[in-house]
Amino acid sequence: AQTVTQSQPEMSVQEAETVTLSCTYDTSESDYYLFWYKQPPSRQMILVIRQEAYKQQNATENRFSVNFQKAAKSFSLKISDSQLGDAAMYFCAIGTRSGYGKLTFGQGTILTVHP
Amino acid sequence: ETGVTQSPTHLIKTRGQQVTLRCSSQSGHNTVSWYQQALGQGPQFIFQYYREEENGRGNFPPRFSGLQFPNYSSELNVNALELDDSALYLCASSWGQGPSTDTQYFGPGTRLTVL
Repeated sequence: AQTVTQSQPEMSVQEAETVTLSCTYDTSESDYYLFWYKQPPSRQMILVIRQEAYKQQNATENRFSVNFQKAAKSFSLKISDSQLGDAAMYFCAIGTRSGYGKLTFGQGTILTVHP
Repeated sequence: ETGVTQSPTHLIKTRGQQVTLRCSSQSGHNTVSWYQQALGQGPQFIFQYYREEENGRGNFPPRFSGLQFPNYSSELNVNALELDDSALYLCASSWGQGPSTDTQYFGPGTRLTVL
């Protein structure tokens, strides 16, 4: 079974500043994928970034980047140049090839962006 | 490209009743997964459908059942509703060939309230 832990229930950041959201996970699988999803008040879960475990290079999508530490089973999300539209609940999730596509999510981190 | 759609948006039912939720997958996707998200929690995997068959199931009782149709759309049925079934139900679609961790794209969800 997989577990995902997000230890920061809430985080806040000033507009244009940088913030890092933490995530740790546990799995005995070797073939797995990690995701960050964003869920604004509109409720729709939006993919932010994806990281394949076999890739050493950290994934990047515009202002969003991850710090993937495989040995430590850590997968943090860095948001640079924060914008008001980044305010949302952020979920870290893991999927494994043997898990039939099941995603296991963390409890989420509420991000507030101050103008 | 059409995204994942779900209907209805909101639903109110009474304990003991039955409910059907619907999901249309994103164009080009053949796999649908369903999740239950309680207020303030991360989504929990219910099951996944691929080629009109259940492809994997989370820790949910048999009164949670589903269907997938030839056009890849899907239904989630819940019988004998309980108060704890009140939640946001999310549908996600992806493309795969059997068990996979292809990226899942989520719909806006159906908010179910059981009184």
